[in-house]
Amino acid sequence: EAQVTQNPRYLITVTGKKLTVTCSQNMNHEYMSWYRQDPGLGLRQIYYSMNVEVTDKGDVPEGYKVSRKEKRNFPLILESPSPNQTSLYFCASRKQGEVTGELFFGEGSRLTVL
Amino acid sequence: QKEVEQDPGPLSVPEGAIVSLNCTYSNSAFQYFMWYRQYSRKGPELLMYTYSSGNKEDGRFTAQVDKSSKYISLFIRDSQPSDSATYLCAMIRSPVNDYKLSFGAGTTVTVRA
Repeated sequence: EAQVTQNPRYLITVTGKKLTVTCSQNMNHEYMSWYRQDPGLGLRQIYYSMNVEVTDKGDVPEGYKVSRKEKRNFPLILESPSPNQTSLYFCASRKQGEVTGELFFGEGSRLTVL
Repeated sequence: QKEVEQDPGPLSVPEGAIVSLNCTYSNSAFQYFMWYRQYSRKGPELLMYTYSSGNKEDGRFTAQVDKSSKYISLFIRDSQPSDSATYLCAMIRSPVNDYKLSFGAGTTVTVRA
């Protein structure tokens, strides 16, 4: 089954404790991206990657890091989480050049930073 | 001002009603327009896709794009409780050359049985 898998789905942590949210896709997509979703603000892009070893900042990159060492994986790293990073996070992927631009999303990771 | 504006609702309608959703945008370079549907505790999924101005129909769903007014709409006819979800509009200049979809905030719709 074609899918984007995120882990963990739910996480409660404390300020300053480093954490990683993993993302993996099995569709051989070149493009991957991370979004955060907050009430009233919609989906905001954090980082994206056009292919292995190629990443770039989205609209809200502060406080986050990413890496793309393999095509299928795109982890999101919070080096020192703060309460304003409490949010619902989505990883997404798409086939580069696909005319519809359809993004395939994971089921989301709800993060609470105390 | 946000690049894409969407009334977050919420919107509550009785079963069988027509649901009307819309977004406005400021960037005239957008050419491709999408509607995503997001069920509770799930990721968004592509519902409809339209290129440039015009209408597109898929079953009970109709998407309209008016580029001259920078306005897009989604209509749901004969709404069902299973249509209860958050609907997000999204748009992009070119899926081939561009990397960033711009999303609206999403409108939460509840269809009452």
